[in-house]
Amino acid sequence: AQTVTQSQPEMSVQEAETVTLSCTYDTSESDYYLFWYKQPPSRQMILVIRQEAYKQQNATENRFSVNFQKAAKSFSLKISDSQLGDAAMYFCAYRSAYNNDMRFGAGTRLTVKP
Amino acid sequence: GAVVSQHPSRVICKSGTSVKIECRSLDFQATTMFWYRQFPKQSLMLMATSNEGSKATYEQGVEKDKFLINHASLTLSTLTVTSAHPEDSSFYICSASRPATYEQYFGPGTRLTVT
Repeated sequence: AQTVTQSQPEMSVQEAETVTLSCTYDTSESDYYLFWYKQPPSRQMILVIRQEAYKQQNATENRFSVNFQKAAKSFSLKISDSQLGDAAMYFCAYRSAYNNDMRFGAGTRLTVKP
Repeated sequence: GAVVSQHPSRVICKSGTSVKIECRSLDFQATTMFWYRQFPKQSLMLMATSNEGSKATYEQGVEKDKFLINHASLTLSTLTVTSAHPEDSSFYICSASRPATYEQYFGPGTRLTVT
């Protein structure tokens, strides 16, 4: 079974600075999708960024970018120019290309200091 | 597009009663819907996957007779917690995916409290 590991339960960043959240995963599959979701206090899951495993280019969405290292099974999220509104729980998720299973990491709580 | 709603957002019920939670895809047809459970300060745990018109597939350790899932139409799935007990108190989140796509769109969640 696939597992997703987020080794940082909590992270803190100064407003306007850059922070990187770590995520590793374990799989024997060759095709899959990776996601970062944000869960603010409202608890609504918000998609931050997605990466298809077959794409070598790292995904980027405005201030959010990923460092996808397929051989190392690593999928970190970089948040640039951090804003107060970025404070939330961040979950890394793995979805198989062969079925509907989506597995989530334990989450990282990000605090943004003004 | 791709909006998913859940109703109710909060529910309190007495121990031993049953409670139904609805999940609707508002602007797309969802061939597959998912139900997750999230304990405080923890991650989302997949409970079951439901495909329209067929029986749900439950994850190991999830009691199918306790958590009844019905996916009767392409826009509605329901989760019924039967004979609820205080340990069933949790945050339940549904998600839905479009045909032939890999993204899941999440509902806002339902907080269930069993007294």
